[in-house]
Amino acid sequence: DTAVSQTPKYLVTQMGNDKSIKCEQNLGHDTMYWYKQDSKKFLKIMFSYNNKELIINETVPNRFSPKSPDKAHLNLHINSLELGDSAVYFCASSDTSGWNSGANVLTFGAGSRLTVL
Amino acid sequence: DQQVKQNSPSLSVQEGRISILNCDYTNSMFDYFLWYKKYPAEGPTFLISISSIKDKNEDGRFTVFLNKSAKHLSLHIVPSQPGDSAVYFCAVYSGAGSYQLTFGKGTKLSVIP
Repeated sequence: DTAVSQTPKYLVTQMGNDKSIKCEQNLGHDTMYWYKQDSKKFLKIMFSYNNKELIINETVPNRFSPKSPDKAHLNLHINSLELGDSAVYFCASSDTSGWNSGANVLTFGAGSRLTVL
Repeated sequence: DQQVKQNSPSLSVQEGRISILNCDYTNSMFDYFLWYKKYPAEGPTFLISISSIKDKNEDGRFTVFLNKSAKHLSLHIVPSQPGDSAVYFCAVYSGAGSYQLTFGKGTKLSVIP
């Protein structure tokens, strides 16, 4: 039973299209994240939602819009896709209390590889 | 502007020997330091962590050392096994309220049988 699941795992699309990636966690965590790993291999945070409220919004083009219908789901919608959006997108979740302890703070999904042609 | 640097993109080690992965950081205010391990086509998984008030934390074959004055941490794996072959990410955060884990670029470890 996967703790953090993302769909689709692979996505190939044309420039200018709109696409969505879905994420669900069954860990009972109250915070969810989207991270992007680009061609340079850095894992960079994009967004974070705590109990459905946006708490982190890094410098990301407004073509990217996260949506959290409930605290177990965080979806990522991308409009007008560009070549530079090609990357692996990781969803993650955490519990707020974990940040006080130095314990494992993030549980990641397996990633969604987006290729824009 | 990288706050967390892993200067070795790759490392090869013989099975049974020690693997040492290094990480440097710039901000002395970081409270916690973590290592994540990532296999191809999977997400990163937590391996071990250390708080800024300690200088060593051990978990089985894995030990993390923290040198605050040098702003440096390292992960030692002894003995190295082929299943340890993966990309290892160093990550840091500033404690409660930050909710933001900052990652290094990763080091790809290959353990040769």
